[in-house]
Amino acid sequence: GAVVSQHPSWVICKSGTSVKIECRSLDFQATTMFWYRQFPKQSLMLMATSNEGSKATYEQGVEKDKFLINHASLTLSTLTVTSAHPEDSSFYICSARRDQSSYEQYFGPGTRLTVT
Amino acid sequence: GENVEQHPSTLSVQEGDSAVIKCTYSDSASNYFPWYKQELGKRPQLIIDIRSNVGEKKDQRIAVTLNKTAKHFSLHITETQPEDSAVYFCAASHARQLTFGSGTQLTVLP
Repeated sequence: GAVVSQHPSWVICKSGTSVKIECRSLDFQATTMFWYRQFPKQSLMLMATSNEGSKATYEQGVEKDKFLINHASLTLSTLTVTSAHPEDSSFYICSARRDQSSYEQYFGPGTRLTVT
Repeated sequence: GENVEQHPSTLSVQEGDSAVIKCTYSDSASNYFPWYKQELGKRPQLIIDIRSNVGEKKDQRIAVTLNKTAKHFSLHITETQPEDSAVYFCAASHARQLTFGSGTQLTVLP
């Protein structure tokens, strides 16, 4: 158990357009989901923490109006990159945690975003 | 906030030798320390983790040690194999949020 999926696995979009990435927990309910960004040959950087039914908490330096996060159900969180620019090109990875008392995070396979 | 430093950034070992990767953390309130293996373009895979109330944990060829006083923890891989080649990340968890180290590219030479 504890499978997390992401869709799409890769996407190419033009500068100025918006892109939505979905993160789903397939066999468990996730009270909390996390969104990370990973640039080539770099570490995972936490962008935001999303709790079901409430507003996401963004890390310092992450623009909440640019990276819209919605966690409308216990199995789905979405990240929308608005007005994408080439510098937003990155590997976006989500993770999910079962409940508030859990430590382990289950990672999705990631979404490769390329903005041209 | 938490800061995690990881060394070395690259590590090459001969097949069969041991590999050790070290991490230090800054927040004494951190209480969960997972290690992940990530292959190129793939998701991070949890390989072992340790809680702050334990000093050492072993799983076959992989072991992790934790020194809470010194705020450092290490990953030990014995009898390395070519398939162990990947990027390894340590992480520290405070308030159940993970802060990752910068990663170590491990190459096991046949």
